[in-house]
Amino acid sequence: GQQVMQIPQYQHVQEGEDFTTYCNSSTTLSNIQWYKQRPGGHPVFLIQLVKSGEVKKQKRLTFQFGEAKKNSSLHITATQTTDVGTYFCAATGANNLFFGTGTRLTVIP
Amino acid sequence: DGGITQSPKYLFRKEGQNVTLSCEQNLNHDAMYWYRQDPGQGLRLIYYSQIVNDFQKGDIAEGYSVSREKKESFPLTVTSAQKNPTAFYLCASSIPGPSPNGYTFGSGTRLTVV
Repeated sequence: GQQVMQIPQYQHVQEGEDFTTYCNSSTTLSNIQWYKQRPGGHPVFLIQLVKSGEVKKQKRLTFQFGEAKKNSSLHITATQTTDVGTYFCAATGANNLFFGTGTRLTVIP
Repeated sequence: DGGITQSPKYLFRKEGQNVTLSCEQNLNHDAMYWYRQDPGQGLRLIYYSQIVNDFQKGDIAEGYSVSREKKESFPLTVTSAQKNPTAFYLCASSIPGPSPNGYTFGSGTRLTVV
């Protein structure tokens, strides 16, 4: 199946700093989804990107899909303590999702 | 409210015993999935089902079994053949194919085998 690599594995930021996580694939992706999992919780769907070069925003979150559709990024502006959690990208296969390893974000107040 | 329910939240079993994890959804989704998550790790696919009475193995199906007799239900049995069953198990559902609304996950079952 599809394999997606995510970096970094961990990120600690001061509250108010920005945060970015990157998702990379060796093959072209049809589309990509992003999820957030709070500590002790379950993954929650954030967004799906489909088009080459697509950029979508949700308040302080900006999602990008690369021109070649082989990479994607999630950028959070001015992090807050509520942003704490693990962010996963997921590549869509024919019948299921292949999740990246995730980036665990810690926000220091 | 529509959603997906997993039970129990915590489960303890002795080594060598089979155990069944429940997953029920009332979202009218055709597709359902089981994932395993180990501490600090991503999600790995165990089994998935696109339609009632049909299911497919995922990447780590060995030692697990499933059934899909009803659209709403997709129980997972962790058998004694699973070498390292202690993990966080997540059930999800969706419409078939790449859904613009993504997967809906249950709150998970933490299985500990002693």
